[in-house]
Amino acid sequence: AQRVTQPEKLLSVFKGAPVELKCNYSYSGSPELFWYVQYSRQRLQLLLRHISRESIKGFTADLNKGETSFHLKKPFAQEEDSAMYYCALGAGTYKYIFGTGTRLKVLA
Amino acid sequence: NAGVTQTPKFRILKIGQSMTLQCTQDMNHNYMYWYRQDPGMGLKLIYYSVGAGITDKGEVPNGYNVSRSTTEDFPLRLELAAPSQTSVYFCASSYGQAGAKHFGDGTRLSIL
Repeated sequence: AQRVTQPEKLLSVFKGAPVELKCNYSYSGSPELFWYVQYSRQRLQLLLRHISRESIKGFTADLNKGETSFHLKKPFAQEEDSAMYYCALGAGTYKYIFGTGTRLKVLA
Repeated sequence: NAGVTQTPKFRILKIGQSMTLQCTQDMNHNYMYWYRQDPGMGLKLIYYSVGAGITDKGEVPNGYNVSRSTTEDFPLRLELAAPSQTSVYFCASSYGQAGAKHFGDGTRLSIL
């Protein structure tokens, strides 16, 4: 079955601490993976995608096919990173499976 | 360039009423989608469209209908509102089928 799991509903870290938001997926084909972010009172927007292998706002994510993971990482959290983060799996044609989201709170 | 625009932002309906959620995009995207998000859950696909005149069911289409008469507009209709349809509804569009999706602000719908 195709599935995206984000095990943490809430993750609280202190400003300047490293952040890792976990995402595991289940898919038999070749996955396309994305991280979306929703800041307070803003719309859901793309943060990064695995095929780009880029760093956005200091965040990176590496696809690990062996562990079927696509964890989102940032070495030093900032208060403005506080938001809801969703991992999404592109599973062919229109199918786009979202995780349940992790709320990141960065404490001062 | 407004992106994806949804109206209304909030609505309360009585059981059995009908309404249409509007969605329009100005990016000339062929692909458009409707998702619903229940509390504590991920987004689930209701309907999608690959171009004007073409629509198809997603994971949770029951109780909804859509139409796509133009590239820009993709309205979602609830014919007989039920409490189970209380949710936040998001419209999205994309250039390609697996590409990054652009979302609207969402419509918070409560059915009492």
